[in-house]
Amino acid sequence: DAGITQSPRHKVTETGTPVTLRCHQTENHRYMYWYRQDPGHGLRLIHYSYGVKDTDKGEVSDGYSVSRSKTEDFLLTLESATSSQTSVYFCAISEASALGADTQYFGPGTRLTVL
Amino acid sequence: QKEVEQNSGPLSVPEGAIASLNCTYSDRGSQSFFWYRQYSGKSPELIMFIYSNGDKEDGRFTAQLNKASQYVSLLIRDSQPSDSATYLCAGNGGATNKLIFGTGTLLAVQP
Repeated sequence: DAGITQSPRHKVTETGTPVTLRCHQTENHRYMYWYRQDPGHGLRLIHYSYGVKDTDKGEVSDGYSVSRSKTEDFLLTLESATSSQTSVYFCAISEASALGADTQYFGPGTRLTVL
Repeated sequence: QKEVEQNSGPLSVPEGAIASLNCTYSDRGSQSFFWYRQYSGKSPELIMFIYSNGDKEDGRFTAQLNKASQYVSLLIRDSQPSDSATYLCAGNGGATNKLIFGTGTLLAVQP
């Protein structure tokens, strides 16, 4: 499982509340990613990080923010949760290679329901 | 927009047959491609990656890459019911450390 944990694994929250999901890795990988997975859309990148305090947006970043203050932790925050953010969220890690993208390994996922 | 496309399936094959999963991509700058397997309710797990044109074999799995035609395929020989899952294709979309995923193909292996 590449030493990746996500917490919480399941969460139910109400519209308008802030939510923070945590991804923790134990193997000192430089790159970390947050995806959401929805039926019919596959995996879509929300934000990613290429080092401590270095982050960038993915294709579906609106309504989300991230922080990475330590190599091992990458936090995803939904500033004001909406029902459209009900989804399964996956964290992933990888290491860079000369070919530009190396293998990504995924955490177990967090199922978030926004009522 | 850079895209990776897969037929959503379901692709149904009998046990013991060869399952052929296909993927096309739009960005000619893509250099590396990955196949992931995802069981229902679980996270994606890597099966294979391929960087060079041609075939790459690993056990019952063979990945094929044709950069001129911009397609990637995964062959599963001697398919087993335990191979029933969604298979995700991903490409790196150029010189970035990001992957672009297809929506996945559901494979059902019938006993």
